[in-house]
Amino acid sequence: GESVGLHLPTLSVQEGDNSIINCAYSNSASDYFIWYKQESGKGPQFIIDIRSNMDKRQGQRVTVLLNKTVKHLSLQIAATQPGDSAVYFCAVLRSGGSYIPTFGRGTSLIVHP
Amino acid sequence: DAMVIQNPRYQVTQFGKPVTLSCSQTLNHNVMYWYQQKSSQAPKLLFHYYDKDFNNEADTPDNFQSRRPNTSFCFLDIRSPGLGDAAMYLCATSRGDNTEAFFGQGTRLTVV
Repeated sequence: GESVGLHLPTLSVQEGDNSIINCAYSNSASDYFIWYKQESGKGPQFIIDIRSNMDKRQGQRVTVLLNKTVKHLSLQIAATQPGDSAVYFCAVLRSGGSYIPTFGRGTSLIVHP
Repeated sequence: DAMVIQNPRYQVTQFGKPVTLSCSQTLNHNVMYWYQQKSSQAPKLLFHYYDKDFNNEADTPDNFQSRRPNTSFCFLDIRSPGLGDAAMYLCATSRGDNTEAFFGQGTRLTVV
């Protein structure tokens, strides 16, 4: 089955720095990998996804890198802002009728002004 | 405007007393999910509906049931809540052919 885990439970950065959040996965059959952001007291919010046949995808201030050789996924946030403070989850999507997110453990990002 | 709405935001129930959590959506998505999230942990999928087809996760306790009377509404029934069922319950929706799931704000369940 899928197993998704994160290397660091907490990441503290200064405002303006770049942040890198990492994730390891075990199921090579996943079609998509996704990053979600969860602010305190709220549900997860979709940030960006990457298909398994890609190795990089960029969004607004975010970049996701996928290394299938070592089964590693990362989320890079440029010019981190206090509003980026949240828990970030990587998720793999298993297919079969619909795409079902299976979440990893989560990394808490703390941005200091 | 809220697209996935969960009611109530906070629910307190007594040990062993049945409780129902509700979720509604305005997105007309065909897939609806229920996740359980305990403190400092990742959301854990309990079950999902693809249209009317119910899919239960293998490790979801029998104590948890769900109903989806129509496209817009989905309910989570906990027949006999135990202290270990205290958690945030998250409802989500998606189009079956799309990777993005939309989550509600969650219902935080306390069992006393």
